[in-house]
Amino acid sequence: KAGVTQTPRYLIKTRGQQVTLSCSPISGHRSVSWYQQTPGQGLQFLFEYFSETQRNKGNFPGRFSGRQFSNSRSEMNVSTLELGDSALYLCASVRTSGNQETQYFGPGTRLLVL
Amino acid sequence: AQTVTQSQPEMSVQEAETVTLSCTYDTSESDYYLFWYKQPPSRQMILVIRQEAYKQQNATENRFSVNFQKAAKSFSLKISDSQLGDAAMYFCAYRSAGYALNFGKGTSLLVTP
Repeated sequence: KAGVTQTPRYLIKTRGQQVTLSCSPISGHRSVSWYQQTPGQGLQFLFEYFSETQRNKGNFPGRFSGRQFSNSRSEMNVSTLELGDSALYLCASVRTSGNQETQYFGPGTRLLVL
Repeated sequence: AQTVTQSQPEMSVQEAETVTLSCTYDTSESDYYLFWYKQPPSRQMILVIRQEAYKQQNATENRFSVNFQKAAKSFSLKISDSQLGDAAMYFCAYRSAGYALNFGKGTSLLVTP
């Protein structure tokens, strides 16, 4: 089975711009979670989608948004970029078996905001 | 809110030796899951091992095993016969039903020849 795919892998933007990141989960997985990783704050949860519906949202400003498509692919968007948005953005594909959930991560997108 | 604490920012182990990474968590839930993830320099997060809170038996995956102490809210990872490829950042994570993964700050493991 192919793993989680994230595109692009690297991105450089300037303050005020917007960015869209994409994540394709493992085939058959219907849930996707997004995390932001920075040296200062560590790994922080952004949001989770299941069957095109946002199921959970972390404590991030409204500039951060996401969506999920019918094929389970997900995108996250950050508008009006700030320097502090520079981070590794990780997407996780969630396997659900009964009441058990396991998250498998993609390689991440490294975003640098100048 | 659930918190996950990894008290060892850095650990070092010699090749072929055993090392234990510590993790404690705080929760009022009775049903939850615990994980250890490995993040090598490539930054790819790799699932090492998982433990269901309702299971008394400690999980094992080849050279990796956990010591799960539910009453003490402790979840340590033991790596046996350490290899150079084990060098990475290790994250302990907690998840209860309906909530996202909650990660600790990580422990950087150095493996020396």
